[in-house]
Amino acid sequence: DAKTTQPPSMDCAEGRAANLPCNHSTISGNEYVYWYRQIHSQGPQYIIHGLKNNETNEMASLIITEDRKSSTLILPHATLRDTAVYYCIVRSDGGTTAGSSNTGKLIFGQGTTLQVKP
Amino acid sequence: DTGVSQDPRHKITKRGQNVTFRCDPISEHNRLYWYRQTLGQGPEFLTYFQNEAQLEKSRLLSDRFSAERPKGSFSTLEIQRTEQGDSAMYLCASSSFTGPILNTGELFFGEGSRLTVL
Repeated sequence: DAKTTQPPSMDCAEGRAANLPCNHSTISGNEYVYWYRQIHSQGPQYIIHGLKNNETNEMASLIITEDRKSSTLILPHATLRDTAVYYCIVRSDGGTTAGSSNTGKLIFGQGTTLQVKP
Repeated sequence: DTGVSQDPRHKITKRGQNVTFRCDPISEHNRLYWYRQTLGQGPEFLTYFQNEAQLEKSRLLSDRFSAERPKGSFSTLEIQRTEQGDSAMYLCASSSFTGPILNTGELFFGEGSRLTVL
């Protein structure tokens, strides 16, 4: 699975959009981009994932560049409860194909610590 | 659906003692993962089960560590002759492969078991 690079920390004002960047320049064609977050003393929580197209759900939006070498997670209106470590992970095959030898495991880096300030 | 539960949440032990952690995944999830997380680091993959079969083990899983999932439901992680370097949060996650169309490949994490070795 390709490696990702994220800034170690970012600040965001409450109510503003938080834009978290991720570089994955060695991503290959069948690799998905996943985002998870980990609030202090809790297990990681799935946010969103995508392959090529931009994606949006109730938590966030994911913007993937056309060359797929980088992506941005957008929290449109950050709240204090969004303070967490955000992990960008690249995983092949989505771990979803029948018969695939892919175990579906996630390889975490150190992530970006997002501090939302009042 | 009660989520992934782990027990105990906290364990303090003396060096040289054995400890066992239990993970109850989301019911009918056929995939189960163990991770270890030390302070300031992202979770590190330890091992993976599909049903009762342990299909992958990380090199981090020394021979003092053993994991089982005897009936394909709950899992245990045992650490024998604990060392101070084993102090960490041990996270369990589960997921379900139900088919490529419906499956997001999302891993659901428990809140972890924190081990302190004195």
